[in-house]
Amino acid sequence: NAGVMQNPRHLVRRRGQEARLRCSPMKGHSHVYWYRQLPEEGLKFMVYLQKENIIDESGMPKERFSAEFPKEGPSILRIQQVVRGDSAAYFCASSPPGTEWANVLTFGAGSRLTVL
Amino acid sequence: DQQVKQNSPSLSVQEGRISILNCDYTNSMFDYFLWYKKYPAEGPTFLISISSIKDKNEDGRFTVFLNKSAKHLSLHIVPSQPGDSAVYFCAASGAGGSQGNLIFGKGTKLSVKP
Repeated sequence: NAGVMQNPRHLVRRRGQEARLRCSPMKGHSHVYWYRQLPEEGLKFMVYLQKENIIDESGMPKERFSAEFPKEGPSILRIQQVVRGDSAAYFCASSPPGTEWANVLTFGAGSRLTVL
Repeated sequence: DQQVKQNSPSLSVQEGRISILNCDYTNSMFDYFLWYKKYPAEGPTFLISISSIKDKNEDGRFTVFLNKSAKHLSLHIVPSQPGDSAVYFCAASGAGGSQGNLIFGKGTKLSVKP
């Protein structure tokens, strides 16, 4: 019974390149969330998605960042033209349908992005 | 402007004693609070939660207390064990945010010494 799977675990990019981070939610979970953790900071909400729908992207930077959760396959967080300030740990989380456990998120191990 | 604050970056406790981790919040509209534990190179793991309609929730060695008037919550771990050594994050939800939009504190690193 695999948990939330994220890959790659570590990604190194040069300034101006693109970064793609993937997330497969826990089996039976239909809600996916992306969070970012900068050094010495707490986790910050970025986006909440359901299949083929972005529900809340209030935490996403206005430019260069996008997220999708297609009908088939994992959720993707895409960062275009990366800058050094994008270096962070990106965590994906999922939750089951229904409202009772809506805010009890199961997190993946994270993807650590380093921009040179 | 931090809405959830964990003012102690670190805490050291002897094995077998009580660990008390504190968390303050500023937004009175938060209606649900959670504690997560995080080991290095892993994702946060849900520990315990409390709704704003309660003032205490207990699960084994872990108890969370909520004081709404003071906008303060605390996590008590008793007895503390070396395996409890980790970073503990307090998080809050509600206040108009969508499902899963949790506001996290910066965390407190707990070290439990044998």
